[in-house]
Amino acid sequence: NAGVTQTPKFRILKIGQSMTLQCTQDMNHNYMYWYRQDPGMGLKLIYYSVGAGITDKGEVPNGYNVSRSTTEDFPLRLELAAPSQTSVYFCASRYQTGANYGYTFGSGTRLTIV
Amino acid sequence: QKEVEQDPGPLSVPEGAIVSLNCTYSNSAFQYFMWYRQYSRKGPELLMYTYSSGNKEDGRFTAQVDKSSKYISLFIRDSQPSDSATYLCAMSASGANNLFFGTGTRLTVIP
Repeated sequence: NAGVTQTPKFRILKIGQSMTLQCTQDMNHNYMYWYRQDPGMGLKLIYYSVGAGITDKGEVPNGYNVSRSTTEDFPLRLELAAPSQTSVYFCASRYQTGANYGYTFGSGTRLTIV
Repeated sequence: QKEVEQDPGPLSVPEGAIVSLNCTYSNSAFQYFMWYRQYSRKGPELLMYTYSSGNKEDGRFTAQVDKSSKYISLFIRDSQPSDSATYLCAMSASGANNLFFGTGTRLTVIP
């Protein structure tokens, strides 16, 4: 049981380039999320999905796009990378079974825009 | 006003000490309260979850929620060097699709 897997772990992009951050989960969770974590700022929600084919914006969606074609995969796309997108990106899935509730996070992608 | 406020620390304690970590919040609709532990260059991992008010204990960890004061706490008893990490509080409202995080408190337990 791998949980939430993110690739790549590290990436350096030049301004204006684009890339896709991959996220996959094997727990059959419907809810999936993308957060970014900046120093001293906590985690901010970029986009989320409540199931295959359904996505919606979070607090800080500008400059990003997502898709959810399957329950397992929730990639995050950066178009025209900007220095403000330098951050650590975390993908998460949510579970709620009986009295248990929580989010399972991936190990993150550390992205630097130069 | 931020949704969630958390003292960033850093907090440094000797091994065996009792640690108290706290968050305050402004949204009275929050019902789900969590504490996450995050080691350096790793993703957050769920430590404690509490629904609504009350206390919850799990081994050396106790989570408390006081909804009347909009205040949550995490207590760590007999702290160990392996507890050295950043602790994040997080909370959400029922039916909501966003989890609001504190900025995290960095804890170091000195052997």
